[in-house]
Amino acid sequence: SAVISQKPSRDICQRGTSLTIQCQVDSQVTMMFWYRQQPGQSLTLIATANQGSEATYESGFVIDKFPISRPNLTFSTLTVSNMSPEDSSIYLCSVVGGGLTEQFFGPGTRLTVL
Amino acid sequence: RKEVEQDPGPFNVPEGATVAFNCTYSNSASQSFFWYRQDCRKEPKLLMSVYSSGNEDGRFTAQLNRASQYISLLIRDSKLSDSATYLCVVNNAGGYNKLIFGAGTRLAVHP
Repeated sequence: SAVISQKPSRDICQRGTSLTIQCQVDSQVTMMFWYRQQPGQSLTLIATANQGSEATYESGFVIDKFPISRPNLTFSTLTVSNMSPEDSSIYLCSVVGGGLTEQFFGPGTRLTVL
Repeated sequence: RKEVEQDPGPFNVPEGATVAFNCTYSNSASQSFFWYRQDCRKEPKLLMSVYSSGNEDGRFTAQLNRASQYISLLIRDSKLSDSATYLCVVNNAGGYNKLIFGAGTRLAVHP
């Protein structure tokens, strides 16, 4: 299995500001992903974080709004930019690869935008 | 049409009951199928993969019908600890990446 930590675990932010979420894994993994889970809904994939290159975004998500970094095989960040109340959600990172046989999820970051 | 559709429930069942969840997916090229479990305010965790021949893990049985694009999960002898949201998940790319989640089915098991 993989141990994944996310920081912060929760935050309350003002509209128009930005928040950067960190995801740290205890082992090197091939693939890292960022998901969003809006209140009462299921998970939606935002993007695949690629090590050494630009992230691959899913339909409806753009780099200007959700810039992602992945400097190495154990760490990634997701920034939620110019936030609005509609961005209130739980943001989860997940990993697969490096010998893992399933996709593991981090504990999530609960974001509230006022 | 959603890519993965589930009955949202909630299913309220007594301990010891047998309960079944159904799921349909829209992409006939989907390659991998899973059931995840998500407890309240927790991250999703893999419950079991779903294989074409059907598979069982203790009290849990998963079935796949590719012709009907239908997946099921059967829980026998329900426990209080089974109370959670069960997420039907498919992967169109193969393997464990780029998962597509259903909205989940809530199960509440009561004494």
